[in-house]
Amino acid sequence: DAKTTQPNSMESNEEEPVHLPCNHSTISGTDYIHWYRQLPSQGPEYVIHGLTSNVNNRMASLAIAEDRKSSTLILHRATLRDAAVYYCILRVQGGANSKLTFGKGITLSVRP
Amino acid sequence: DGGITQSPKYLFRKEGQNVTLSCEQNLNHDAMYWYRQDPGQGLRLIYYSQIVNDFQKGDIAEGYSVSREKKESFPLTVTSAQKNPTAFYLCASSIIGGWQPQHFGDGTRLSIL
Repeated sequence: DAKTTQPNSMESNEEEPVHLPCNHSTISGTDYIHWYRQLPSQGPEYVIHGLTSNVNNRMASLAIAEDRKSSTLILHRATLRDAAVYYCILRVQGGANSKLTFGKGITLSVRP
Repeated sequence: DGGITQSPKYLFRKEGQNVTLSCEQNLNHDAMYWYRQDPGQGLRLIYYSQIVNDFQKGDIAEGYSVSREKKESFPLTVTSAQKNPTAFYLCASSIIGGWQPQHFGDGTRLSIL
């Protein structure tokens, strides 16, 4: 499986934008980029996914580099409820093995 | 509301005892998964199933067993062969397809007495 690399942690101020980076230099053409987040003592929650083009939804935006070797999850206005571990995951399109391979993720802290 | 229900939220196991964790979904998803999470770590796949009466081993299946007799249910048994069962266990489900998101339950925290 192609791997992703994320910083261990990041801090942000409330109501400011947050950019969470992810490197995936060995990504293949059929890998989707998925982001999940996990609040303390809860299961992970799907945030967003993309293949080649930038994506927006009600939770966040996903900016994908032109060569697809990196991506950035953008939270437009961080709130205290956004403090969580964010996982960047590559998922093979149509793969028979549909598992998600979670790394340690990036821990986002939000200051009031 | 549709979702995934895991029970119990907390579970304690005695030495040599098998315990079963429940996972039920009403999302009409074909695929279901069990993950294990240790403190400060990411999730590791234990077992997954893409259709009733069929399931596949994940990365850390030793000491665990599953069944998939109904589409909506995927119970996990932690057997006495699992020597280090203390962990947070998460169940997920999804529509089959590489880009489809997985929906997770709120987990069961298993501890050893």
